Amino acid sequence: GAVVSQHPSRVICKSGTSVKIECRSLDFQATTMFWYRQFPKQSLMLMATSNEGSKATYEQGVEKDKFLINHASLTLSTLTVTSAHPEDSSFYICSALTGGSGNQPQHFGDGTRLSIL
Amino acid sequence: DAKTTQPTSMDCAEGRAANLPCNHSTISGNEYVYWYRQIHSQGPQYIIHGLKNNETNEMASLIITEDRKSSTLILPHATLRDTAVYYCIVGAQNRKLIWGLGTSLAVNP
Repeated sequence: GAVVSQHPSRVICKSGTSVKIECRSLDFQATTMFWYRQFPKQSLMLMATSNEGSKATYEQGVEKDKFLINHASLTLSTLTVTSAHPEDSSFYICSALTGGSGNQPQHFGDGTRLSIL
Repeated sequence: DAKTTQPTSMDCAEGRAANLPCNHSTISGNEYVYWYRQIHSQGPQYIIHGLKNNETNEMASLIITEDRKSSTLILPHATLRDTAVYYCIVGAQNRKLIWGLGTSLAVNP
């Protein structure tokens, strides 16, 4: 159980392109989803927290107009990197959390490797 | 959330137990200890978590000291597929988690 699917797994595109990444919880309802970014040889950095039906909460230094997050249903959240540039190249990972007690673990997708040329 | 300290890297022989330590001396009373691992170019995989009692599941065992200031993740019979970066994190899952650099575990044949 607790499977999170992330799509696409890899994207290569030209500078200035907008890229949409999908994160789906396949066998549970995710009240909260998280978006992370990971640069080579670094740890995961939280970008934003997304609750179904409400606006995402962004971490300090993350531009909300550049990284658009939509969490329209309990099983789907999307991250759109608008007008992507080479410095946005990174490994983007989502995780999902069920409701209930606060000690339930986050379950992660397999990540999306974004390469901007 | 409390920070954790883990060794940068460890080695383990295949078939032997891998014991991965973690220090979390500033953990507060309502924070859990979570362990994840990340195999190269994949998303993190949840392993186990606990509050103060030792825990065991099909993947691993978690030993938490009585004062909760440190813990050890035990992989009882390590295989080559257990080679990964292991992260120890403290906090509540519905709040922001702070990820360190983890321990890079190499299981050798």
